Amino acid sequence: GAVVSQHPSWVICKSGTSVKIECRSLDFQATTMFWYRQFPKQSLMLMATSNEGSKATYEQGVEKDKFLINHASLTLSTLTVTSAHPEDSSFYICSARVGKGSYEQYFGPGTRLTVT
Amino acid sequence: AQRVTQPEKLLSVFKGAPVELKCNYSYSGSPELFWYVQYSRQRLQLLLRHISRESIKGFTADLNKGETSFHLKKPFAQEEDSAMYYCALSVAPFGSGGGADGLTFGKGTHLIIQP
Repeated sequence: GAVVSQHPSWVICKSGTSVKIECRSLDFQATTMFWYRQFPKQSLMLMATSNEGSKATYEQGVEKDKFLINHASLTLSTLTVTSAHPEDSSFYICSARVGKGSYEQYFGPGTRLTVT
Repeated sequence: AQRVTQPEKLLSVFKGAPVELKCNYSYSGSPELFWYVQYSRQRLQLLLRHISRESIKGFTADLNKGETSFHLKKPFAQEEDSAMYYCALSVAPFGSGGGADGLTFGKGTHLIIQP
């Protein structure tokens, strides 16, 4: 089956620093990847849609200069949290879709970010 | 904007009893509805999609456009059904051929099946 990995699974960083999270489709090519954010005991909220070779589309209220998304290849998308603050601490989950006509999204295991 | 509502945070039933997890949505167009499941310490995975009208692991879900609902049902619960269940909605962009886009999730229902 289709597998999506994320790295790292857990990261702690200091306020003001930047941290990069990777999302990889291991056995398929993903034309589209999605980034979600999940606060404790809350649901997933879509942050942005990442299309290979083009700029990401951000949801309303998500700062694109703070959450930089790069989808440079068909198997890798990265989310960089710049100048992180404690309120950015959250669980970040990516998903990948095989093709434009495909309905199914395959989810990564998530990355827990803690900003101190 | 679209919204998905799952009114129950927690649902506990005994093994063998029927299960119904409620999901209501609001969207002016024709969305795609999904149920995702997350077992303990595992990632989210697709359980059902309304268009396919299939039964997976004994679960079914029917889209009721009049009531804007997509409740998940199973006639006889099993212990292995214990998990977190999320109802999700996708708005396929015009001309996309129906492909799913970023999902709008409900807050989830934690289903516990007691022995």
